[in-house]
Amino acid sequence: SQTIHQWPATLVQPVGSPLSLECTVEGTSNPNLYWYRQAAGRGLQLLFYSIGIGQISSEVPQNLSASRPQDRQFILSSKKLLLSDSGFYLCAWMVGGRGSPLHFGNGTRLTVT
Amino acid sequence: AQSVTQLGSHVSVSEGALVLLRCNYSSSVPPYLFWYVQYPNQGLQLLLKYTTGATLVKGINGFEAEFKKSETSFHLTKPSAHMSDAAEYFCAVSATRGSYIPTFGRGTSLIVHP
Repeated sequence: SQTIHQWPATLVQPVGSPLSLECTVEGTSNPNLYWYRQAAGRGLQLLFYSIGIGQISSEVPQNLSASRPQDRQFILSSKKLLLSDSGFYLCAWMVGGRGSPLHFGNGTRLTVT
Repeated sequence: AQSVTQLGSHVSVSEGALVLLRCNYSSSVPPYLFWYVQYPNQGLQLLLKYTTGATLVKGINGFEAEFKKSETSFHLTKPSAHMSDAAEYFCAVSATRGSYIPTFGRGTSLIVHP
């Protein structure tokens, strides 16, 4: 069966520090991969998605970046965190067409202090 | 273009009462529709989905939703609320041919009172 691993579960980082969040998927190949962010009391904001290795689409201009070094690995990074980067970060995967659901990881709670 | 509107950011019900969470969508092509549930500090889980065929879709945990094309709606219901149903619920639509990006509603927080 397919599983998705996302870590760390929680993270507290000072303003200006770097960030690296990792997500890996097991049990499937060539998935579409997604990074979402939830700010407190708000909905889901799509940050990045990828339909293949090395292919990244950015939905929102910001100081975050994403990379997909392997088929089932998706990394979210920042060189210098801002207070506004605080939030709940979710990785998700999908295989198949638009009728297929997204499968989400358990998220990372990031607090920038 | 596709969009989703969830009416009511918060819905409060008593345990045992009917749950009704509203979702309206806009789409220029036949949509695929989804409901997800999110418990505190967790990711989203799929409750149910509509692609084609029967318009009444049954999901997990006793939830169901009915696709009504004429009303562009996909409301989520459950006959009897349980305390464990307290969570955030998201409606999503995938209605753009060739797109891999569903559009999510802003979510509805379901509060269940004993």
